[in-house]
Amino acid sequence: GESVGLHLPTLSVQEGDNSIINCAYSNSASDYFIWYKQESGKGPQFIIDIRSNMDKRQGQRVTVLLNKTVKHLSLQIAATQPGDSAVYFCAENIGTDKLIFGTGTRLQVFP
Amino acid sequence: DTGVSQNPRHKITKRGQNVTFRCDPISEHNRLYWYRQTLGQGPEFLTYFQNEAQLEKSRLLSDRFSAERPKGSFSTLEIQRTEQGDSAMYLCASSSPINAGYNEQFFGPGTRLTVL
Repeated sequence: GESVGLHLPTLSVQEGDNSIINCAYSNSASDYFIWYKQESGKGPQFIIDIRSNMDKRQGQRVTVLLNKTVKHLSLQIAATQPGDSAVYFCAENIGTDKLIFGTGTRLQVFP
Repeated sequence: DTGVSQNPRHKITKRGQNVTFRCDPISEHNRLYWYRQTLGQGPEFLTYFQNEAQLEKSRLLSDRFSAERPKGSFSTLEIQRTEQGDSAMYLCASSSPINAGYNEQFFGPGTRLTVL
């Protein structure tokens, strides 16, 4: 399949290490945030979300942190695996309609 | 597989031709969205429907683009007189907000359009 994000920022991590992917969002009125994972040739896949009244949410091997003061979102992946290799996008939701996606980050996991 | 399907998966067409894409959302989802994604970029919002009503259209959606959702189920996106700049991945997503104000969207695999 075609490659997603040929010139994206890239984070390279060793298998088993923790990964941290950062995102700056644009609108202080955004009330809901989602992290998506996109593999080559596929649509974005939901990973985890967080509402603006929270500052941390944990899932299976993933944690999202929200800092509304500086409009910053991060995704932490514990014990990164080769299957985690993909492009990761944060998205913000204002109201109940469209998502606004940030610039993606390519995660490369090497053995 | 999220349950959102799109057809065709790939479309190659000559400049000036019309193309139509189809999206079948998750059956109980009342909201359906179209996005466009070019290489190296995140998806960009085009338009969305709540049931059969088209509620918002982006300025990216020129008058050559039209989207429909006639029965509130599947949707079609048509591009008339295609241009090379229309080459992109067209993504469809659906959602069904249970809690007011929160909007988890599930994406389909996309239709890759190449205009020659």
